[in-house]
Amino acid sequence: EDQVTQSPEALRLQEGESSSLNCSYTVSGLRGLFWYRQDPGKGPEFLFTLYSAGEEKEKERLKATLTKKESFLHITAPKPEDSATYLCAVQALGNNNDMRFGAGTRLTVKP
Amino acid sequence: NAGVTQTPKFQVLKTGQSMTLQCAQDMNHEYMSWYRQDPGMGLRLIHYSVGAGITDQGEVPNGYNVSRSTTEDFPLRLLSAAPSQTSVYFCASREGGGPVETQYFGPGTRLLVL
Repeated sequence: EDQVTQSPEALRLQEGESSSLNCSYTVSGLRGLFWYRQDPGKGPEFLFTLYSAGEEKEKERLKATLTKKESFLHITAPKPEDSATYLCAVQALGNNNDMRFGAGTRLTVKP
Repeated sequence: NAGVTQTPKFQVLKTGQSMTLQCAQDMNHEYMSWYRQDPGMGLRLIHYSVGAGITDQGEVPNGYNVSRSTTEDFPLRLLSAAPSQTSVYFCASREGGGPVETQYFGPGTRLLVL
């Protein structure tokens, strides 16, 4: 069964303090691993897709990386507006309509 | 474009009551889905539709019914609410054939079943 585990559950950072969020996964043939941002009271917003080990994607202060067992979301010099819950999800090959989501990491960046 | 809209935003039900969660999209997307999000758990797929008149079950379909009579609307029905259905419900839509991760999510409906 496909599984996604995210750690830590919650992370508090000072503005400018870089850190990483972890997403460990098991899947029967990976089609893609996805990162989402979710603000309180809103639906998830798509950030990145990673398809194969070694791949990296960047967007502003966020950088996502992928290995065969886990993905990291690196946050460089975060700002308070980066505060949100970050969700990781995987999709198995041959499954066109569903993803397995992790529970998320709630990030708080203090000014 | 309003995107994906959901009503109501918040609802309280008593056990055994029925209700319909509404979802509409104005992007002419073929695919629509319903998810539930519970504390400590990831989003889980309830039902999805690949076009008007076509629906299928996701990971957690029990206790929920759906139908898709138009491209725009995809309502989720709870026939007899149970406390285990207390959750936040998200509707999502995407273009037909588009990768699943590109789906647009609505703002959610928070449901409390007493």
